[in-house]
Amino acid sequence: EAGVTQFPSHSVIEKGQTVTLRCDPISGHDNLYWYRRVMGKEIKFLLHFVKESKQDESGMPNNRFLAERTGGTYSTLKVQPAELEDSGVYFCASSQDKVAIYFGEGSWLTVV
Amino acid sequence: GENVEQHPSTLSVQEGDSAVIKCTYSDSASNYFPWYKQELGKRPQLIIDIRSNVGEKKDQRIAVTLNKTAKHFSLHITETQPEDSAVYFCAARDQGGKLIFGQGTELSVKP
Repeated sequence: EAGVTQFPSHSVIEKGQTVTLRCDPISGHDNLYWYRRVMGKEIKFLLHFVKESKQDESGMPNNRFLAERTGGTYSTLKVQPAELEDSGVYFCASSQDKVAIYFGEGSWLTVV
Repeated sequence: GENVEQHPSTLSVQEGDSAVIKCTYSDSASNYFPWYKQELGKRPQLIIDIRSNVGEKKDQRIAVTLNKTAKHFSLHITETQPEDSAVYFCAARDQGGKLIFGQGTELSVKP
């Protein structure tokens, strides 16, 4: 069974540009989460989808971040315009039952 | 909301020694506490978890203990090996179902 996959694995963009990260959860997992880890700090919650609905978006830093999950399958996280402090690793995770949560390899974003 | 504190931030042990990482949480309603291991450049992987109705759980060289009254839980790794070197994260599941993570512990096992 395929795990959670994320694309791109690495991205370097200039301040002010736009980046879109994609996450494909494990097939059949209704719960999809986005997390972010800034260098040396904790893995911080951003957003939780249940199917295509946003269950909790309390961790989204500001309106430069937009997450979507059309059709309840894959999800995208767009950062527009990117700022230097947005650099970090963006993890996607999925779960069938909200108990066992499986992470993707992460998308490393560097804003220069 | 839930807040998780993790200590120490770095831990260095000799191969064969034990390693202990401690976490505290704030929300007494939290009922599920997983531990993740993240090797450099890899995804966080679930290594062990414990639910609030259990005080201790073991899986080979890894054990987790939970003290609900004190709201703290710990990861114990015995007979450490170099391949145990990684960043370890504790987490607590809040009432909404999302995981709140600790700050991470970078474990280094020296041969």
